[in-house]
Amino acid sequence: GAGVSQTPSNKVTEKGKYVELRCDPISGHTALYWYRQSLGQGPEFLIYFQGTGAADDSGLPNDRFFAVRPEGSVSTLKIQRTERGDSAVYLCASSPTTFSDTQYFGPGTRLTVL
Amino acid sequence: GESVGLHLPTLSVQEGDNSIINCAYSNSASDYFIWYKQESGKGPQFIIDIRSNMDKRQGQRVTVLLNKTVKHLSLQIAATQPGDSAVYFCAENIDAGGTSYGKLTFGQGTILTVHP
Repeated sequence: GAGVSQTPSNKVTEKGKYVELRCDPISGHTALYWYRQSLGQGPEFLIYFQGTGAADDSGLPNDRFFAVRPEGSVSTLKIQRTERGDSAVYLCASSPTTFSDTQYFGPGTRLTVL
Repeated sequence: GESVGLHLPTLSVQEGDNSIINCAYSNSASDYFIWYKQESGKGPQFIIDIRSNMDKRQGQRVTVLLNKTVKHLSLQIAATQPGDSAVYFCAENIDAGGTSYGKLTFGQGTILTVHP
């Protein structure tokens, strides 16, 4: 079946610009997670949703980062006034529920801020 | 503080050998541990998991061992194949109050290279 998909696969933007990254979770999965992975590092948690609500956004680095999941399926991670330090691979994962711990990851979006 | 780390950042083996990848964790409240494999340009792929009430779990060609006394986790891959070459991450999840919050904390990763 279809896995987690993310678009775009690559995004190059200029410092100060606004970007949106999209995640389509596995159909029927109620829990959705965003992670950020810098080169040579493991993924770092940003935020997760249970349904439409953000259950834990403690990993968002600052108020330039925001994520939504209005209908409990697709999620968008939004970054305002991008900085060069935001360059990373942004990974999305989903799981059937938060009580089912296996998280299935998408291929990620590589964001490069020039 | 909470952290998950790896003893060996790189591991090089010959095809057919067994591989062992190690991971240390510091949070005794960790309840659930997962190993992921990540190939270049792809997202992490689930390999195997283990809960804190177990000390060993086996899958297809893979075994995870958990030693809670010394807070150590290992992944054993039998008869390693070139297709196993990737970065391997351990991750931990803290189950607070019986409700897993799903927030994973990853280690830095070990690069496994399998030579034909």
